[in-house]
Amino acid sequence: DAEITQSPRHKITETGRQVTLACHQTWNHNNMFWYRQDLGHGLRLIHYSYGVHDTNKGEVSDGYSVSRSNTEDLPLTLESAASSQTSVYFCASAPGRASGYTFGSGTRLTVV
Amino acid sequence: GQQVMQIPQYQHVQEGEDFTTYCNSSTTLSNIQWYKQRPGGHPVFLIQLVKSGEVKKQKRLTFQFGEAKKNSSLHITATQTTDVGTYFCAVPSYNTDKLIFGTGTRLQVFP
Repeated sequence: DAEITQSPRHKITETGRQVTLACHQTWNHNNMFWYRQDLGHGLRLIHYSYGVHDTNKGEVSDGYSVSRSNTEDLPLTLESAASSQTSVYFCASAPGRASGYTFGSGTRLTVV
Repeated sequence: GQQVMQIPQYQHVQEGEDFTTYCNSSTTLSNIQWYKQRPGGHPVFLIQLVKSGEVKKQKRLTFQFGEAKKNSSLHITATQTTDVGTYFCAVPSYNTDKLIFGTGTRLQVFP
């Protein structure tokens, strides 16, 4: 069965370190997204991609970057982790621009 | 900027009672989506509404899109403990098609 997987499920890192969160989908979806979820803020869009080599900034993109070298993967990199980036991160994919999203199980990141 | 308000923020109900959450937009929407997130889980897509005044049902869940396409509601009849979770509406961002999520309504059902 097709799926979308995120790794790791939990990560603790130190302030200033570079961290990469993985997202891999086998749905063959063109559209992929990264959200962070914090209490009181709901789900906020970090970056998104509509296809290979396409990346776009969301509403909270500062301090984050993504790259899309193939259809399946959209890794999210925190260039220099900060305590404000402690959050739960969700990756999602969708077949088209007006389609429902399929979410991964999330990565809980703690920056100490 | 575009705003998506979702009310109530929390709702506690006795099992068997009905529940409704509302989503209101400051702009006219092309469509609206609803998601459910169980505690500790990830959002799961429930449904998309596109037409003005559209009503769709999924078992005990009834989804409605307003006539002016600026608001929507999710109604659960006779809640069960399995309905526990946070319900989010999501709308396309103005002039783009990125989804903006509402802040969610957290439902707690007491047996």
